[in-house]
Amino acid sequence: QVQLQESGPGLVRPSQTLSLTCTVSGGSVSSGTYYWNWIRQPAGKGLEWIGRIYTSGTTDYNASLKSRVTISVDTSKNQFSLKLTSVTAADTAVYYCATYSGSRGSFDYWGQGTLVTVSS
Amino acid sequence: DIQMTQSPSSVSASVGDRVTITCRASQGIGNWLAWYQQKPGKAPKVLIYAASSLQSGVPSRFSGSGSGTDFTLTISSLQPEDFASYFCQQADSLGLTFGGGTKVDIK
Repeated sequence: QVQLQESGPGLVRPSQTLSLTCTVSGGSVSSGTYYWNWIRQPAGKGLEWIGRIYTSGTTDYNASLKSRVTISVDTSKNQFSLKLTSVTAADTAVYYCATYSGSRGSFDYWGQGTLVTVSS
Repeated sequence: DIQMTQSPSSVSASVGDRVTITCRASQGIGNWLAWYQQKPGKAPKVLIYAASSLQSGVPSRFSGSGSGTDFTLTISSLQPEDFASYFCQQADSLGLTFGGGTKVDIK
């Protein structure tokens, strides 16, 4: 069973870069079984898909965030990462990493989530 | 992007009630729809994928139906552990999008 754990700063200053890492256990980011995703959820609101990376390094991003987002993978550490530049208060949310099955069309495994607050 | 509209946004129900939540896509998505349950402070958990396929380990009181633009999640007999929020998600095209959610609370 795949397990995911997000890590990174809980507080980011406005205009700075948000950086999070997802550590994968029980599976390999190199396996090709899943896409590796970032999803966020502002307090009391719905879920927003940020983007994903495949084992080949191919990425797909939410069009509304594409200019500010980079997702990368580190196969040696079995991790994948999110960078979101020029953050504002609107980027305050719980950030989740999750696996996506292309054959099922579902996010099957999720991390516990990490709250990132954008504030000075 | 494909817009996903869920209704109702909230529903009050009692243990044993039958609860139905609907999700409408802004364009046809075939059966590329998943349903999730989320409890406060927890990550979402997939219940249904491909519109009607039950995820392993999910109780059979949960069922999904629909295709094209209109989909339904049904809880046949609501249990205490089912009080939560529910989200639909389309997987037909990028960007992947979620419905706004339905909160099921105790009447």
